[in-house]
Amino acid sequence: TQLLEQSPQFLSIQEGENLTVYCNSSSVFSSLQWYRQEPGEGPVLLVTVVTGGEVKKLKRLTFQFGDARKDSSLHITAAQPGDTGLYLCAAMSPNTGNQFYFGTGTSLTVIP
Amino acid sequence: GAGVSQSPRYKVAKRGQDVALRCDPISGHVSLFWYQQALGQGPEFLTYFQNEAQLDKSGLPSDRFFAERPEGSVSTLKIQRTQQEDSAVYLCASSPTGGAPKNIQYFGAGTRLSVL
Repeated sequence: TQLLEQSPQFLSIQEGENLTVYCNSSSVFSSLQWYRQEPGEGPVLLVTVVTGGEVKKLKRLTFQFGDARKDSSLHITAAQPGDTGLYLCAAMSPNTGNQFYFGTGTSLTVIP
Repeated sequence: GAGVSQSPRYKVAKRGQDVALRCDPISGHVSLFWYQQALGQGPEFLTYFQNEAQLDKSGLPSDRFFAERPEGSVSTLKIQRTQQEDSAVYLCASSPTGGAPKNIQYFGAGTRLSVL
């Protein structure tokens, strides 16, 4: 059983389209992070959200933490080919202080 | 300074061989994490060090997996008697302070292990 479920698993869209990726859990987290990973590289942190209902924007990317701190979403406006990659949500285990769980991942391909 | 460095980048092993994967964290970083990542999936936690102390090894899949960080800097993940199911990318990450939820983890590019 995955602690963090992401949807969709795969997404292929045309340049200029908008998209939303979801990260859901039945657990409550004190914070949640989003990463992007490109082929052959390690994940790179995009944002950390901490407060329930929090919205953070990073250029064309908008991140939201659910009010109950169990879920999060990532919205990309006017996607570009450079946005292509594996998007991962991640959070510290609610039961231990050290285990860091990653979501199942969303593989995004933006077609020029 | 340099980022997290992992070596080798690629490793091919015959089933039953032992392998050792190296991680050089960012200098001065206290925390070090190892993850296993299957193709197209999110990384899965293996183990965590704070300085030289291995505080959590609950993610290691079997007793064939062993990790150490003897001087609190470089870490080695060793896999004994490799099996085909061990084929994956092994990622190392370091963090400047203890494993608090908001800490940023800096990842290496990983070692891709293929067991034939």
